[in-house]
Amino acid sequence: NAGVMQNPRHLVRRRGQEARLRCSPMKGHSHVYWYRQLPEEGLKFMVYLQKENIIDESGMPKERFSAEFPKEGPSILRIQQVVRGDSAAYFCASSPPAGASSYEQYFGPGTRLTVT
Amino acid sequence: AQSVSQHNHHVILSEAASLELGCNYSYGGTVNLFWYVQYPGQHLQLLLKYFSGDPLVKGIKGFEAEFIKSKFSFNLRKPSVQWSDTAEYFCAVRGSTLGRLYFGRGTQLTVWP
Repeated sequence: NAGVMQNPRHLVRRRGQEARLRCSPMKGHSHVYWYRQLPEEGLKFMVYLQKENIIDESGMPKERFSAEFPKEGPSILRIQQVVRGDSAAYFCASSPPAGASSYEQYFGPGTRLTVT
Repeated sequence: AQSVSQHNHHVILSEAASLELGCNYSYGGTVNLFWYVQYPGQHLQLLLKYFSGDPLVKGIKGFEAEFIKSKFSFNLRKPSVQWSDTAEYFCAVRGSTLGRLYFGRGTQLTVWP
């Protein structure tokens, strides 16, 4: 059973460009979470999505950041007009749907975004 | 606001030494508690979890943790560390079954052979 997949693993963008980060959850998982890890800090929650719905976006910056989890395809975290402060590791996690025996979050390998 | 504190940012031990990593949390209700490990160059992996029941939980690779509700703590322990335990360890708390995780800053463990 394949784990959580994220791509690209490394992404370099110039200031002002757009960054698109993709996350494919584990098979059978319908909940996706995005976290950001800044240098010397722990992971910070950004957004929690189910298929076609944003459940909790309280950790998302108000501007330039958006996320979606369409009916078909991976979840996308989109950062418009990137700035140097967006440089970080972005992790995606998935968990099973309600009614499962366990609700652990399984993490992907992360995307390391560097803004030059 | 919910928060998780990990007391040690960097711990250095020799092989066979005992390990205890502290974790305290601030949350008013029922919690689920986790320890994750991140080996160099790899993604986060779940070491162990506490949802309910016996407050002493055992995880993979000989790790265990004890939930002490009165102290809001969930410390990670291992009686005898190995060089292969060198990694970063994260404590995390969740207040609802399918909700977000709150992470501590992480503790970098270095084990010398």
